Amino acid sequence: GENVEQHPSTLSVQEGDSAVIKCTYSDSASNYFPWYKQELGKRPQLIIDIRSNVGEKKDQRIAVTLNKTAKHFSLHITETQPEDSAVYFCAASTDSNYQLIWGAGTKLIIKP
Amino acid sequence: DTAVSQTPKYLVTQMGNDKSIKCEQNLGHDTMYWYKQDSKKFLKIMFSYNNKELIINETVPNRFSPKSPDKAHLNLHINSLELGDSAVYFCASSQEHRAFNSPLHFGNGTRLTVT
Repeated sequence: GENVEQHPSTLSVQEGDSAVIKCTYSDSASNYFPWYKQELGKRPQLIIDIRSNVGEKKDQRIAVTLNKTAKHFSLHITETQPEDSAVYFCAASTDSNYQLIWGAGTKLIIKP
Repeated sequence: DTAVSQTPKYLVTQMGNDKSIKCEQNLGHDTMYWYKQDSKKFLKIMFSYNNKELIINETVPNRFSPKSPDKAHLNLHINSLELGDSAVYFCASSQEHRAFNSPLHFGNGTRLTVT
């Protein structure tokens, strides 16, 4: 079955710098890749997603890139701010799959 | 006006007890889920219901029993609680059961502590 690996498990960056979190997946039929953000003590919330017919998607300071050949996708956050501190989860699913397969999460720490 | 609401927010109980967590969504979604998040923050799906029918039943102890009286409600009953059940339990909903088409909307979580 599908397996999603996420790296790094913890990422510490200086405020204003960029952060990149990478996920790899095993099922080449996967075609939907969302990213969820979970602030401390809060619920996970969708921040951006990408489908396999697109190589990149941007929303203000966040972007997601997808490399179908290599079977990996990445979250890019530019000009990081303190409110970006959170745990970020990637996930993958296929058309026929009823569920998301989740990565283990990345704790992003923004240093002032 | 919370879209996915679950109660209680905190639940502290002793080993061996039976407890329930309730979840309701007012988004008109067809599909509801229960997730368990352990201390390492890993999100693990437990159950999923689509229009009151069970569609995902992951490998969880049969002490956990979901119940969906209608598509807006999904409750979780846990029998004979164990220390290892301590976690945050999230309810979620989505427009339909295929992840491709519908993002998850999570509730605020129930922190269960078993002593």
